[in-house]
Amino acid sequence: EVQLVESGGGLVQPGGSLRLSCVVSGFTFTTYWMSWVRQPPGKGLEWVANIKHDESERYYVDSVEGRFTISRDNAQNSLYLQINSLRAEDTAVYYCARHFGREMTAVTAITYWGQGSLVTVSS
Amino acid sequence: DIQMTQSPSSLSASVGDRVTITCRASQGISTWLAWYQQKPEKPPKSLIYAASSLQSGIPSRFSGSGSGTDFTLTINNLQPEDFATYYCQQYKSYPLTFGAGTKVEIK
Repeated sequence: EVQLVESGGGLVQPGGSLRLSCVVSGFTFTTYWMSWVRQPPGKGLEWVANIKHDESERYYVDSVEGRFTISRDNAQNSLYLQINSLRAEDTAVYYCARHFGREMTAVTAITYWGQGSLVTVSS
Repeated sequence: DIQMTQSPSSLSASVGDRVTITCRASQGISTWLAWYQQKPEKPPKSLIYAASSLQSGIPSRFSGSGSGTDFTLTINNLQPEDFATYYCQQYKSYPLTFGAGTKVEIK
C-alpha cells in the first residue's frame, strides 16, 4: 500500500522558517517525481514545487522561488520542503504528492497524495 | 503561466444524474491534463491522467475527454460519494497549475 506521511507543520511567526517532511512507503521512492502542493484554508490547490527522482531537476512556483527549497533523501524514503521567510499568505495545508510512472523524463500527473500538514503563519 | 478555467464553479445534481464539468486551458496543452476529486477535510484523490485515462481503482462512471485547450470530466449515474469538489490540472509546462475547482452539491 502506498503511503505518504507529512510532518513538521505548525504555527510560525512571519519571517520564520520551517521544514516539512514526508516519509513514504509502499513504492520505490527513488524512481518517482515528487511534489509539494498547498491549499490555503477554504481555497483551491496550488502546486508549490517538485523534484525529479534522481534530484537532477527541481522546479518552483514563482511566489516561493528563493524562499522554499525542495529536497529528497532517497536512502531515507523522504521528501522535504524547507520554508524560509514565511509570510501570512503561505498559511496552508501542505500536501506531499507522488507523480505517475517510474523514472519518467518529464513530470506527469499526480497519483498519490499524503494527508497534509498545516502551516500557519501568524504573530 | 497557463491559466486553467473551470466551469461551472458549482452545480447541484441528484443521485443518478449525469454531470459534466468543463476545463479550459489558456493555451494548448495537448492531453497533459489531470482531474482530482476532493472531499471536505480530506486530501485530493486522483481520478484521471492524460485527459482520459482512469487512475487505478476509479469507477468507470468517471470519464474524461478533450485535447488542446478544452477538456471535460463526465460523471455518469452520480452516486452519493461523488459529491465533492473537482479540480483540473495541467502538467504541460511550469508552473503546474490547477483550475479553481467545481463543487458538486446535492440537489
